[in-house]
Amino acid sequence: AQSVTQPDIHITVSEGASLELRCNYSYGATPYLFWYVQSPGQGLQLLLKYFSGDTLVQGIKGFEAEFKRSQSSFNLRKPSVHWSDAAEYFCAVGTIAGGFKTIFGAGTRLFVKA
Amino acid sequence: SQTIHQWPATLVQPVGSPLSLECTVEGTSNPNLYWYRQAAGRGLQLLFYSVGIGQISSEVPQNLSASRPQDRQFILSSKKLLLSDSGFYLCAWSTNRMQETQYFGPGTRLLVL
Repeated sequence: AQSVTQPDIHITVSEGASLELRCNYSYGATPYLFWYVQSPGQGLQLLLKYFSGDTLVQGIKGFEAEFKRSQSSFNLRKPSVHWSDAAEYFCAVGTIAGGFKTIFGAGTRLFVKA
Repeated sequence: SQTIHQWPATLVQPVGSPLSLECTVEGTSNPNLYWYRQAAGRGLQLLFYSVGIGQISSEVPQNLSASRPQDRQFILSSKKLLLSDSGFYLCAWSTNRMQETQYFGPGTRLLVL
């Protein structure tokens, strides 16, 4: 069965420091992978997505993610975190089984300290 | 441009009361529509999705139901709310193409007392 694991429930980084949020997926076919961000009390916004091609994808707000098939991972990175990046981040995998569904990970909450 | 609306934004309901949450999409035709629930501190759980009018797929057994009376309208309902129904409900849409991005509404926070 398809699944997405985000091993870190929460992460705290200092402003200006680099960030990496981990994501591992389980899917039998070529995955369609997404990272979404959710600010408190709001809906989700797409940061970036990977369908095929270059395994390093660039997103909005200076984020990037790298697809590593051998590790079944799609980690999100940012070289320098801003206080406004504090939010919850969700990794997701798109599936075609039974229709156009997306399976989300449990999320990682990012705290940014001054 | 496309927009997605959800209302109400916040709702406090007693146990056993009915529920109706509405979601509408503007600026697109024949979207795929989704209802998710996000419990406190947890990820998103897909409740229902729809690929067309009157076509509803349920992902988990529960006392909730969904309906799609119009192409761009998606309604989440319950006849009798349970305490465990409390959470943050998100509606989303995507184009009717495989693996497209989902666009989320602002959500409805439901508290059942």
